[in-house]
Amino acid sequence: GIQVEQSPPDLILQEGANSTLRCNFSDSVNNLQWFHQNPWGQLINLFYIPSGTKQNGRLSATTVATERYSLLYISSSQTTDSGVYFCAVELGDYKLSFGAGTTVTVRA
Amino acid sequence: DSGVTQTPKHLITATGQRVTLRCSPRSGDLSVYWYQQSLDQGLQFLIHYYNGEERAKGNILERFSAQQFPDLHSELNLSSLELGDSALYFCASSPRTGYRSNEQFFGPGTRLTVL
Repeated sequence: GIQVEQSPPDLILQEGANSTLRCNFSDSVNNLQWFHQNPWGQLINLFYIPSGTKQNGRLSATTVATERYSLLYISSSQTTDSGVYFCAVELGDYKLSFGAGTTVTVRA
Repeated sequence: DSGVTQTPKHLITATGQRVTLRCSPRSGDLSVYWYQQSLDQGLQFLIHYYNGEERAKGNILERFSAQQFPDLHSELNLSSLELGDSALYFCASSPRTGYRSNEQFFGPGTRLTVL
């Protein structure tokens, strides 16, 4: 099956710092989504981004499909950004394959 | 709020028992998916239903089964429960047709604890 690798596995930030999370995938994808899992366990949709660049407030994402990677940028981080960020890809079969996640801790 | 609802939020039961998890998709979504999140396996796809029909199976155990009803809600049945079945079970839905038809939205999950 497709391999989805996220890096770094853990990230500790001071409030106000910027960061970049990376997702590499091993095959061409039909869909790529970024999620934030908050401390209560809920999976929150951040981006639907099979290709291109999108921005939503302090978050932005870029997927370079031809090179099989996606980046999630967090700017001016806040303590509420803490949690686990997942990248998930889909090959056209409607099954999302998730990476192992990046655990982000933002300290005040 | 994604619009996907799941009940119950928490479930504590004993080994050997059977439980049913329920999911209602977003209004208008025809596809329902079930995922399991455990500490050792991460988030894994279990099964996909579209408009009442099973469309794909992932790493779903034979002790587990699911169905989607005519009103599009879905149930995941877990039987002969083992300690290792303790996990967070998510339901997701997607439109399956139209623009961004494969974008999945997740419910809040059901946390199952098997003692």
